[in-house]
Parts: sequence; structure tokens; C-alpha cells
Amino acid sequence: GAVVSQHPSRVICKSGTSVKIECRSLDFQATTMFWYRQFPKQSLMLMATSNEGSKATYEQGVEKDKFLINHASLTLSTLTVTSAHPEDSSFYICSATEGGHEKLFFGSGTQLSVL
Amino acid sequence: AQSVTQPDIHITVSEGASLELRCNYSYGATPYLFWYVQSPGQGLQLLLKYFSGDTLVQGIKGFEAEFKRSQSSFNLRKPSVHWSDAAEYFCAQTDSWGKLQFGAGTQVVVTP
Repeated sequence: GAVVSQHPSRVICKSGTSVKIECRSLDFQATTMFWYRQFPKQSLMLMATSNEGSKATYEQGVEKDKFLINHASLTLSTLTVTSAHPEDSSFYICSATEGGHEKLFFGSGTQLSVL
Repeated sequence: AQSVTQPDIHITVSEGASLELRCNYSYGATPYLFWYVQSPGQGLQLLLKYFSGDTLVQGIKGFEAEFKRSQSSFNLRKPSVHWSDAAEYFCAQTDSWGKLQFGAGTQVVVTP
């Protein structure tokens, strides 16, 4: 079964609203979680790395004030897209690890559509 | 800069034929390499991974990949494709911390 749960799987929202996406590790402690974004017919690009209890590290070009990441516990990280616009429409997917590359699991992704 | 290259954007293969997807990595130290498959609108499914040891790695769904350090390659193969193998395939590499760098992906179309 899935070891990383991501919700919602699909969300449609109006422009200007905020959307929260959750990523949960189900049977392990995720010390680090990663958030990726995938535009249609493109590859996955890392947005940010979050470590439990500390501020997220954002990749170049990703607006930290627009994409708020919270990793308050060892099993939950959230990505909030604030004041969403149509250009934020994308597939967002998280991954989680309890330490390094050997035990690395992906969530099922969230398709965000901003009208 | 580290990078992952998938030279083939799109491959069409007949059902029952063999498939090989190319992947070249660029990483100074020991690479940790992955192949993922993604169906339309779906998340990623791990096919196989290479960290060390035997350079021929067996994965799920009948896929295998061979790590060749001399060629900086990690090509994915399947002897006989099924219609259900039609999907997007991503090669990825990571450092020891789990941050993945993906290739651009290869779209596989399977014809009857």
C-alpha cells in the first residue's frame, strides 16, 4: 500500500484563492520532504526541500511567499499556494524520506486547476 | 552542473517488440539512479533503482536497467512490451539526501 499519502488528488479553485496540499508519511518518520511541480508535458522540477521543524529551502525562481511550506511534524508537510493564478495550474507532487536516498517515496500527486 | 539527459522525447514501439529507453547522467560521485513511470494524470511509480553492486538491475513489470559508468548511462529495457506499458518514463538521479533531478522524460506509445 501507499506509504506517502497526498491530498487532495485534484482541486479546482478560483483565481485569488489559496489552496493547501497535504503530504503525509503513513508508516515512517519523514525527516525530509520534497515538493515538485510538473507542467503539462514537462518534467518534474523541484520546488523546495522541507526538513521537519525548520524553514523550507526553495529552489531558485520559486517564490517562497507564494508557495508556503510547513513541515511541522515528522509525518506531515503542507504546501499552500497563496493567491493562486491560472499560471499556477500544474501537477504538484511530494516525496518523503526518513533519511537519504534509500527510502524515498512519492505521493500520488495533486492536479491543481486555477480558473 | 549535474544533469540527467533522456535523448528520446518520444518512442513508438509495436506490442511484443523490445524497448530501450536511454538515460545519461552527470554526477561527480557515485550516482544514485532511478527509473519512474507515469501514466496520464497519475503519480510516479518506481520501476527500479541503482545504488551500488550488480550493474544490471531488475525492476517491476519486467523492466531492467544497466548501469554503465564508462558511458555515464543507465538505460532501461524491456524484452517485450505490452499495451499497458504506454506511459511517460522518467530517469532520475539523486545525491545522498534524496533530492531528485529528473530527465525530461520519454513518451512511449505502443501500437498494436
